[in-house]
Amino acid sequence: DTAVSQTPKYLVTQMGNDKSIKCEQNLGHDTMYWYKQDSKKFLKIMFSYNNKELIINETVPNRFSPKSPDKAHLNLHINSLELGDSAVYFCASSQGAGPLVKLFFGSGTQLSVL
Amino acid sequence: AQSVTQLGSHVSVSEGALVLLRCNYSSSVPPYLFWYVQYPNQGLQLLLKYTTGATLVKGINGFEAEFKKSETSFHLTKPSAHMSDAAEYFCAVSDALQGAQKLVFGQGTRLTINP
Repeated sequence: DTAVSQTPKYLVTQMGNDKSIKCEQNLGHDTMYWYKQDSKKFLKIMFSYNNKELIINETVPNRFSPKSPDKAHLNLHINSLELGDSAVYFCASSQGAGPLVKLFFGSGTQLSVL
Repeated sequence: AQSVTQLGSHVSVSEGALVLLRCNYSSSVPPYLFWYVQYPNQGLQLLLKYTTGATLVKGINGFEAEFKKSETSFHLTKPSAHMSDAAEYFCAVSDALQGAQKLVFGQGTRLTINP
């Protein structure tokens, strides 16, 4: 069983559309994250939720809205998609939210905006 | 602000040879340092981490890394490469004073193993 699963794996869409990426973890963790990997492969944190509460909210356009319906799920909704949103988006989870926690990553969602 | 620089986006070694992946960091506070590995079509996995204490850290799959404060480095090594080590490797730093886990990653190094 996949510990952290993301859907879809690939997402190709037109500029201006609204899309969502879903993430689920079956590890019983209480903290989840979204990271964005740009074309130069740099991974940058976007959001983090601990027990469904937003604890990290980096400088991300308002078009990106995370939603955590429960501790096992963290979805990412993106409005009015732009070319610059093309990237690989990784979901991750951890038990606890401190600076030493081990992150478990999903395999990523490759978003291509045309 | 913290940052990580990985020297060499692509490293190629022969099977059985030494693996050396370089990582330099910048941090204004004592750092926590990590190496993550990403195998094809999988998510990132933690290889090892440095917090405090012993500067030589051993991780999974025979990898180890040494924290050198004077050189602001945290290079990853493995004495003898195996074909299964072919993957993307990411160095990361975390602000030890932060309340939440907020890793800053390098751009990754792709390791290729030649038979």
